[in-house]
Amino acid sequence: EPEVTQTPSHQVTQMGQEVILRCVPISNHLYFYWYRQILGQKVEFLVSFYNNEISEKSEIFDDQFSVERPDGSNFTLKIRSTKLEDSAMYFCASRGGTGANQPQHFGDGTRLSIL
Amino acid sequence: QKEVEQDPGPLSVPEGAIVSLNCTYSNSAFQYFMWYRQYSRKGPELLMYTYSSGNKEDGRFTAQVDKSSKYISLFIRDSQPSDSATYLCAMSRTGGGNKLTFGTGTQLKVEL
Repeated sequence: EPEVTQTPSHQVTQMGQEVILRCVPISNHLYFYWYRQILGQKVEFLVSFYNNEISEKSEIFDDQFSVERPDGSNFTLKIRSTKLEDSAMYFCASRGGTGANQPQHFGDGTRLSIL
Repeated sequence: QKEVEQDPGPLSVPEGAIVSLNCTYSNSAFQYFMWYRQYSRKGPELLMYTYSSGNKEDGRFTAQVDKSSKYISLFIRDSQPSDSATYLCAMSRTGGGNKLTFGTGTQLKVEL
């Protein structure tokens, strides 16, 4: 069964450094998402991306965050200057179809640890 | 009031029991309702996906949506130790980026 893959599985970074999290969505999917889950808390929406542009973003997704689809297969989340509070699991998700009636499928996440 | 509320558990049941997991929500714009299962250090895995009110069954799992009460449920029949995980409800509205709003998750343990 096709799956969303994320790399790396664990990223340790010094505060203030830039980090790029990578995702390969399911190949025929058109909609892409990033979520994060701080330890012990619920999964929170960050951003959705369709047709090479952001379609919606949350308050968390400030100017320090950006997303890109650099080629036909990868989808990346960049955090420009990491803060301690960015430590979390980051999940990529994708869905197919042209309407809302397709569910999102998630990768296994990248655990980001900011020191 | 939180948009989506879910009992965090933990919920411990014996093998073979029927498990009932529930979420309530406040936003009447939600139209799509999902249940995900999350094992430790893994991503959410889609279990059930329903649109609007009604029931949906898939093997040992049944999802129910009652939009009039803003209440959704997941039933697990003949629960197995392998069902031990955290169960997340999630929902979305039509339009925009179709972002998912999650509950906090219910931790379930099925004991032998």
